[in-house]
Amino acid sequence: DAGVTQSPTHLIKTRGQQVTLRCSPKSGHDTVSWYQQALGQGPQFIFQYYEEEERQRGNFPDRFSGHQFPNYSSELNVNALLLGDSALYLCASSSGTGAFTGELFFGEGSRLTVL
Amino acid sequence: SQELEQSPQSLIVQEGKNLTINCTSSKTLYGLYWYKQKYGEGLIFLMMLQKGGEEKSHEKITAKLDEKKQQSSLHITASQPSHAGIYLCGADAIYNQGGKLIFGQGTELSVKP
Repeated sequence: DAGVTQSPTHLIKTRGQQVTLRCSPKSGHDTVSWYQQALGQGPQFIFQYYEEEERQRGNFPDRFSGHQFPNYSSELNVNALLLGDSALYLCASSSGTGAFTGELFFGEGSRLTVL
Repeated sequence: SQELEQSPQSLIVQEGKNLTINCTSSKTLYGLYWYKQKYGEGLIFLMMLQKGGEEKSHEKITAKLDEKKQQSSLHITASQPSHAGIYLCGADAIYNQGGKLIFGQGTELSVKP
């Protein structure tokens, strides 16, 4: 049973460029969340997708956008990249929504470096 | 907004020793989660605590939730090199609405053989 898969694993971009990161959730999961983790810090919530809609959003600018497809996979897009966007981007999947987040299954992450 | 503070930030212990990591919240804790992360990799779920006084164990790792103190502790008994990594506590940011987790900054654990 495949877990959460993310691609690409590493990428390098220059300031002002745009990037798309991809995530396939664990089999049977329909909810995808994205987190940004800067070096030496805990992950920060970007947004969550459920039923192809953005359900919750963290404190990130509109340059960060996403999408969820009918097969539950998801993309994270970041426009006009800044040096400060360099981080590990983590995708997490879960089943449904409820009063508690519950157990999240994380992918290995996509390491983005902005030069 | 809610913040989670972990202590210590880093910890080096001799193999076989016990250790405790604390996670203190600036607001009431509704759902508290512990994750482990190997450097630069994804997070692995350890435990979830929901109620004050709740205590859970998995192998040699025990976590407790003190609702009054708005604090959780993670205790490892007889540490092994396999316990090395970064331990992160997370909490549900919004009461009765799951989905958004707030994380602490992490505690880096090294275990010396």
